[in-house]
Amino acid sequence: NAGVMQNPRHLVRRRGQEARLRCSPVKGHSHVYWYRQLPEEGLKFMVYLQKENIIDESGMPKERFSAEFPKEGPSILRIQQVVRGDSAAYFCASSSGEEKLFFGSGTQLSVL
Amino acid sequence: DAKTTQPPSMDCAEGRAANLPCNHSTISGNEYVYWYRQIHSQGPQYIIHGLKNNETNEMASLIITEDRKSSTLILPHATLRDTAVYYCIANILTGGGNKLTFGTGTQLKVEL
Repeated sequence: NAGVMQNPRHLVRRRGQEARLRCSPVKGHSHVYWYRQLPEEGLKFMVYLQKENIIDESGMPKERFSAEFPKEGPSILRIQQVVRGDSAAYFCASSSGEEKLFFGSGTQLSVL
Repeated sequence: DAKTTQPPSMDCAEGRAANLPCNHSTISGNEYVYWYRQIHSQGPQYIIHGLKNNETNEMASLIITEDRKSSTLILPHATLRDTAVYYCIANILTGGGNKLTFGTGTQLKVEL
């Protein structure tokens, strides 16, 4: 019973590099959500996608951040030209459109 | 979504019941009450949710007051592994996804 799989678990990037975070939802789930958790802070919603479509990106920074959920393959959160302030834990969740969200273990991004 | 208010921290002795309160005085008639928890560094885990009636599952019980302005999550026999941040969230089911807004939650510490 595979849950939400995120990789890598830890990602280290230097300032200015690109970070690509992957999320494979629970099999059969077509709704994916990305959250960010800064050190010692709560989870902040970033974006909600439903198979190839961005439904709500109200929490996503306007620049450098993008997300996709292609027809085939995992959802990708992409951060271009990373800065130190992007260092955080990034969590992905999926659902079938019903009540519960299933969360992955997260990717810890560290920007040097 | 209605704002929820939770105490920042609580302690509980192992084996005793942990009762975590949540105020949601502005909750609307179609908003559900959800509880999630986050064990240190892990992704949030769904616990339980309800609309009007009390709910029970293998993890916990949810008691919602008749006026729906507050609720209590009950862990009947708390163990050390229940130490976590517990989030109470009021949310409308849209039928097309379930974007959750996390607050600061209650840090529950279960001790010997």
